[in-house]
Amino acid sequence: GAGVSQSPSNKVTEKGKDVELRCDPISGHTALYWYRQRLGQGLEFLIYFQGNSAPDKSGLPSDRFSAERTGESVSTLTIQRTQQEDSAVYLCASSSYQPLGDGYTFGSGTRLTVV
Amino acid sequence: AQSVAQPEDQVNVAEGNPLTVKCTYSVSGNPYLFWYVQYPNRGLQFLLKYITGDNLVKGSYGFEAEFNKSQTSFHLKKPSALVSDSALYFCAVRDPISSGSARQLTFGSGTQLTVLP
Repeated sequence: GAGVSQSPSNKVTEKGKDVELRCDPISGHTALYWYRQRLGQGLEFLIYFQGNSAPDKSGLPSDRFSAERTGESVSTLTIQRTQQEDSAVYLCASSSYQPLGDGYTFGSGTRLTVV
Repeated sequence: AQSVAQPEDQVNVAEGNPLTVKCTYSVSGNPYLFWYVQYPNRGLQFLLKYITGDNLVKGSYGFEAEFNKSQTSFHLKKPSALVSDSALYFCAVRDPISSGSARQLTFGSGTQLTVLP
């Protein structure tokens, strides 16, 4: 598609339930990133995929968080046993690996509310 | 390691006045620098970038930014602010000599710009 697509746009879930967030990157973008943005705060890096390389998971806050990506296509971010502190906007971005002068293209995000 | 600092959480300016949103960075090599804007309930949108060349770069919506290597700064500016410029602004940096996951952009904490009518 023309842009990065994220679904759902909004998700309300009960504490303790699992949620799955989806990101469709721009076709041909080999790099994909997940960020978390808590209310009134900056961007918190979660995970980075580059092609078929092992992902950089250094930003995942706990083992309740996991993400997958098959090749250079769709990625899913899964949060198990959600907690209220997981409430945030989850942003996905994609970029080409080269050239480095390219920035990211962001999706509109998924607003997650844990009640 | 690369890092970005946006020292002001909030900037208020009257409509028609010039605005500046500050950003300083730290990288080991020559930086690639970016500004993004986030309007309410929207994703981040690219504004402008500095890769090489002229220190003054022009971007979308009349914004510009000046790269200052000696001060390691990349402040965002606009000569005459509009109420519609009110949004959250993020500065980001990439160190082009980094490899692997360090090639990712590192973002600042964001600055909320409010333009008062």
